[in-house]
Amino acid sequence: GESVGLHLPTLSVQEGDNSIINCAYSNSASDYFIWYKQESGKGPQFIIDIRSNMDKRQGQRVTVLLNKTVKHLSLQIAATQPGDSAVYFCAESFGSNYKLTFGKGTLLTVNP
Amino acid sequence: DAGITQSPRHKVTETGTPVTLRCHQTENHRYMYWYRQDPGHGLRLIHYSYGVKDTDKGEVSDGYSVSRSKTEDFLLTLESATSSQTSVYFCAISFQGTSTDTQYFGPGTRLTVL
Repeated sequence: GESVGLHLPTLSVQEGDNSIINCAYSNSASDYFIWYKQESGKGPQFIIDIRSNMDKRQGQRVTVLLNKTVKHLSLQIAATQPGDSAVYFCAESFGSNYKLTFGKGTLLTVNP
Repeated sequence: DAGITQSPRHKVTETGTPVTLRCHQTENHRYMYWYRQDPGHGLRLIHYSYGVKDTDKGEVSDGYSVSRSKTEDFLLTLESATSSQTSVYFCAISFQGTSTDTQYFGPGTRLTVL
């Protein structure tokens, strides 16, 4: 079947390098953001989240940066590994709205 | 997959036939969601539920109906499947349904309508 990775922006990195995946979000009122990872044939997997009252949050090997001025979100992956190869989505929500709005995704390919 | 199962995982059906997809959760979460994922469109919300027998429409609800008769099960029905409903369908759950509540996804159902 057709992969969800087709027609997506792509990022290709070497194993061990740091990766930066960007996302421009649409709603200046959004107050919660999530990054998901989706491997081929699987459901989206939660990676990290951040609330709008923060501009940086760190997890294990991942960091999310939020720039509300330009409505930009980024996901940094340190020491990228082949297992990090996947499609990465950002999602946003706002106010009392519990519905998430998803970006189209970026395909990350890690070369050994 | 956060205690979420979907069935069937793959289905091929013909245009005009009814199809029901099942989402089952073991976490007792109040909120459940159905999404479809298509190339070029990302994930789009079809319907969601905020409790037993409480459901509402998402952005692409035409041609779909849902039911939730118990907390753990959320069913998505295509009354008369069309080729445009060929897609991958994901169920998701969240605990509180607030704007800062993470949604966790199931493994997906790949549906092909011939």
